[in-house]
Parts: sequence; structure tokens; C-alpha cells
Amino acid sequence: NAGVTQTPKFQVLKTGQSMTLQCAQDMNHNSMYWYRQDPGMGLRLIYYSASEGTTDKGEVPNGYNVSRLNKREFSLRLESAAPSQTSVYFCASSEALQGAWSAFFGQGTRLTVV
Amino acid sequence: KQEVTQIPAALSVPEGENLVLNCSFTDSAIYNLQWFRQDPGKGLTSLLLIQSSQREQTSGRLNASLDKSSGRSTLYIAASQPGDSATYLCAVHSVEYIFGTGTRLKVLA
Repeated sequence: NAGVTQTPKFQVLKTGQSMTLQCAQDMNHNSMYWYRQDPGMGLRLIYYSASEGTTDKGEVPNGYNVSRLNKREFSLRLESAAPSQTSVYFCASSEALQGAWSAFFGQGTRLTVV
Repeated sequence: KQEVTQIPAALSVPEGENLVLNCSFTDSAIYNLQWFRQDPGKGLTSLLLIQSSQREQTSGRLNASLDKSSGRSTLYIAASQPGDSATYLCAVHSVEYIFGTGTRLKVLA
């Protein structure tokens, strides 16, 4: 029962490099989310996908792109990394179960941009 | 725009105390409210989920209440233990999940 799996767990990038954070869920959920967590700021939504083939911007989308590759996978891409993108990134998925929505989170990706 | 606030930001209590964490939100049009626990360097673990039609949920020593009309939720922890030390986050679900900034709890042995 893997739940939500994120890779990699840790990454160090140089300013201007690009990378893709991977997220996969095995719970057959329709909705998936990417958040970043910074000290004192809580979790802020970057992008979300309500269903396969759809994506929407969240609170802090600038500098990021996403792809909902299929129902299981939702990737987050940094095209040109900046030090301001140093953060912990969390992927989540959610679904309504018997009328109640519940969110499940991955273990996070700790990204440092130098 | 939904905004979620948690008070206090940090709390330190002796073991055995009962305590209350507060969460307030600005838009009452929510599907549900969920309380999470986060240990340092770890992901989020769901503690309790309250649907918009419910008033409270209980799990062991935890009890969460929801008052949608006033935009408030509380998480009550009974007989606190050092193992309860963590950051507690509330999230409201409308179109997406919006999180508060958390309450950092330390329970002293």
C-alpha cells in the first residue's frame, strides 16, 4: 500500500538548471495537487489537477509547469530553477469516499537551489 | 479567497495537560476540514476529517469540532504525551485544499 510516492526525496540544483519532480498515486484518485512548504508560510498550492487531462493554477504557480500524464501520475517541472524555489515540495491526491473527501500526502521532496 | 489561520503558532505544555488548537477560515462554503500531523522532516499524516455536515469527529485522545457558520474548528488533545510533539495543520477543502500555517506543539516530559 504505497499511497502517494514522490521522487526524488532530495535534490540540489544550480540556478538555471531544470528538473522534474515525479509523483504517482496508486489509489485511483481523480484529484492531485502540488504544494510547497516554506518556514512560516505553511503549505501553498502550486498547481492542482481535478482529473486526468486537466490542470489549474494554485496560489503560487509562477516558475512551474505541471503535467497530468495519466490518472496515476502528476509531475512538476522547474524550467529554470531559482534560489527562491528552495523549498520542500509535497504531492497529494484526494477522492470522495462515501461522500467524504480525504487527502493523502507523499513524503516530500527537499529541493535546494544554489 | 479562502484564508485559513491557526492559533497559536507554537505551544509548549507539560505532559498530561489537555489542550486545544484553533483553526479559523474565512469562507464557510467548504466540503470538509481535515487535521494533519507533521513530524520534522516528514510528510503529512491525516488525523481527523470532518465533513461539512458534521459537527465533530473523535479518534482516541483526539476530538475535532467544526462550526461552519462561524468559520472555526478546534482540535482537542486529551492527556497530552511527549509523542504528541509535532506540527498540527488544518486544511479546508473547497475547490482545492487550503492550509493554515500550523501550530508547533511541544509536550514536555
